[in-house]
Amino acid sequence: TQLLEQSPQFLSIQEGENLTVYCNSSSVFSSLQWYRQEPGEGPVLLVTVVTGGEVKKLKRLTFQFGDARKDSSLHITAAQPGDTGLYLCAVSALTLNSGGSNYKLTFGKGTLLTVNP
Amino acid sequence: NAGVTQTPKFRILKIGQSMTLQCAQDMNHNYMYWYRQDPGMGLKLIYYSVGAGITDKGEVPNGYNVSRSTTEDFPLRLELAAPSQTSVYFCASSYLRPNSNQPQHFGDGTRLSIL
Repeated sequence: TQLLEQSPQFLSIQEGENLTVYCNSSSVFSSLQWYRQEPGEGPVLLVTVVTGGEVKKLKRLTFQFGDARKDSSLHITAAQPGDTGLYLCAVSALTLNSGGSNYKLTFGKGTLLTVNP
Repeated sequence: NAGVTQTPKFRILKIGQSMTLQCAQDMNHNYMYWYRQDPGMGLKLIYYSVGAGITDKGEVPNGYNVSRSTTEDFPLRLELAAPSQTSVYFCASSYLRPNSNQPQHFGDGTRLSIL
């Protein structure tokens, strides 16, 4: 069972359009991170949301953490080709292994966004 | 500012060969991680380290080994390469533990093909 479900898996739009991608879970989290991964590079942190209902804006990107802290959305206004990339949400979850318990960052499978000029 | 540096960027191995993926960070981060990323599968944690001399298994450790002799370096070793290990490997580091809301800083990845 996937801890984080991201939708849609793929999204191809034209420059100038608006879009929203989602990150959902049945679990409650103290915080959630969004990363963007451009082709051929590693993920880069965009934002961390920590409070239920919180809205953060980063230029044309708007991030919202659900009131119950189980889900989050990312809205992009007037998308540009430079927004193309894989958008990943991630949460810190306590996991158990042979070494004891520890917090690990768990990623969703991502939404692959293509913005066509 | 180098950040997290991974070498090599690309490598092709034959089945049964061994190799070491190198990872170095210059941010004095205590925590380091190795992930693999397969198409449509997201990032899976292989191994992690909370400091020099301390390593532990992640979600998919089988077929891999790590060591952490210094704060800066965290190499990943494949002893007997198998086709299932064809993937893109990412090394990451963070100053604090994952539940601290601190970002993980990623390298640009090593693209490994095993034929």
